[in-house]
Amino acid sequence: ETGVTQTPRHLVMGMTNKKSLKCEQHLGHNAMYWYKQSAKKPLELMFVYNFKEQTENNSVPSRFSPECPNSSHLFLHLHTLQPEDSALYLCASSQMGTVGSYEQYFGPGTRLTVT
Amino acid sequence: RKEVEQDPGPFNVPEGATVAFNCTYSNSASQSFFWYRQDCRKEPKLLMSVYSSGNEDGRFTAQLNRASQYISLLIRDSKLSDSATYLCAVRPHAGGTSYGKLTFGQGTILTVHP
Repeated sequence: ETGVTQTPRHLVMGMTNKKSLKCEQHLGHNAMYWYKQSAKKPLELMFVYNFKEQTENNSVPSRFSPECPNSSHLFLHLHTLQPEDSALYLCASSQMGTVGSYEQYFGPGTRLTVT
Repeated sequence: RKEVEQDPGPFNVPEGATVAFNCTYSNSASQSFFWYRQDCRKEPKLLMSVYSSGNEDGRFTAQLNRASQYISLLIRDSKLSDSATYLCAVRPHAGGTSYGKLTFGQGTILTVHP
């Protein structure tokens, strides 16, 4: 186990639904990330949170809304998604600022299907 | 040019073979380099970090060539269980508030057959 958990593991939602993905890290890290992984495409970084502050939004559509209430928890709120948003959504965490760090550890992901 | 580029493969090798993958990166200021392994429908798992010229862990050896801007992963004595997608990741630069972000390659598929 990597110490990063995600729920739900699978989610099917309609285009008019609102849902949230949850991520929790038990590693004492200070940075958390959301990635999208679609078939046959590289991992796409969506958002970066450093000490609970969002430091990067990689041109993600506003139908994806992240929330980071503390250094251990990260949410991704979803609304009015499109079928092309179907993908594996991965959360990761890392410890930034010390020598030998920056290694990212991933949760198991949420496989999202938008119908 | 892509920031991080890998040969997608697939590489099909017999058990016991030695196989090597390369990963090129475009930003010469890149600071840290990693290899991840991803099994089908699972999350990427950190395989090795490459902080200096290279390092070795059992059958796996990772090397960094800063002059030519690539990292490599060598797997000796391949096992069936090594079949997976291997992702390289690069930390682009040292400055800014997102200096921990990683850029991933598209992955190289390895299949080890009996």
